[in-house]
Amino acid sequence: NAGVTQTPKFRILKIGQSMTLQCAQDMNHNYMYWYRQDPGMGLKLIYYSVGAGITDKGEVPNGYNVSRSTTEDFPLRLELAAPSQTSVYFCASSPLPDRYEQYFGPGTRLTVT
Amino acid sequence: GNSVTQMEGPVTLSEEAFLTINCTYTATGYPSLFWYVQYPGEGLQLLLKATKADDKGSNKGFEATYRKETTSFHLEKGSVQVSDSAVYFCALRRAGGTSYGKLTFGQGTILTVHP
Repeated sequence: NAGVTQTPKFRILKIGQSMTLQCAQDMNHNYMYWYRQDPGMGLKLIYYSVGAGITDKGEVPNGYNVSRSTTEDFPLRLELAAPSQTSVYFCASSPLPDRYEQYFGPGTRLTVT
Repeated sequence: GNSVTQMEGPVTLSEEAFLTINCTYTATGYPSLFWYVQYPGEGLQLLLKATKADDKGSNKGFEATYRKETTSFHLEKGSVQVSDSAVYFCALRRAGGTSYGKLTFGQGTILTVHP
């Protein structure tokens, strides 16, 4: 198993550009999550999904969109990138979150200038 | 709402020193508590967890005890190694099915261990 994979590892965007951060897992987990990690801060939940076709907002969803058309993939879309979206983005998944841990991907470092 | 507070960092220790990283939380009910570790350039990995009061989680020489009376989950290790240098995150998961497993994280504590 590859676990949770994220692409790209690094990206620099100009203000106003758009991009999609990719996240995939091969563990057949129903639950998936997107977090952002700002320097000196803990991770903040952006969006989460409890299964294919079902997504919901987390703590900091503004400026982002998600979709979940398959169990495996959970892409995060940034529209009109802003400097405040400079951060490290982590995707995670879990089979049954009340009983099992979340498994994290290696992260995507995004800089918006 | 739920919140997690970790001790201010960074923490710098010599090899074989004793480590404590404090973590306190605010939550209703009986959340589950976690310590995650992030090694340089990597994602987070679960280090240990505790799901009810007085439970002790342990892994790789690290320990933490779920103290309901003091709402704390302090991380300890008796003798740290250079390889323990990483960022440590305390986190909680609210109890109940409607939490959907969402985690609330502390701000993280950077640990550097020197030979």
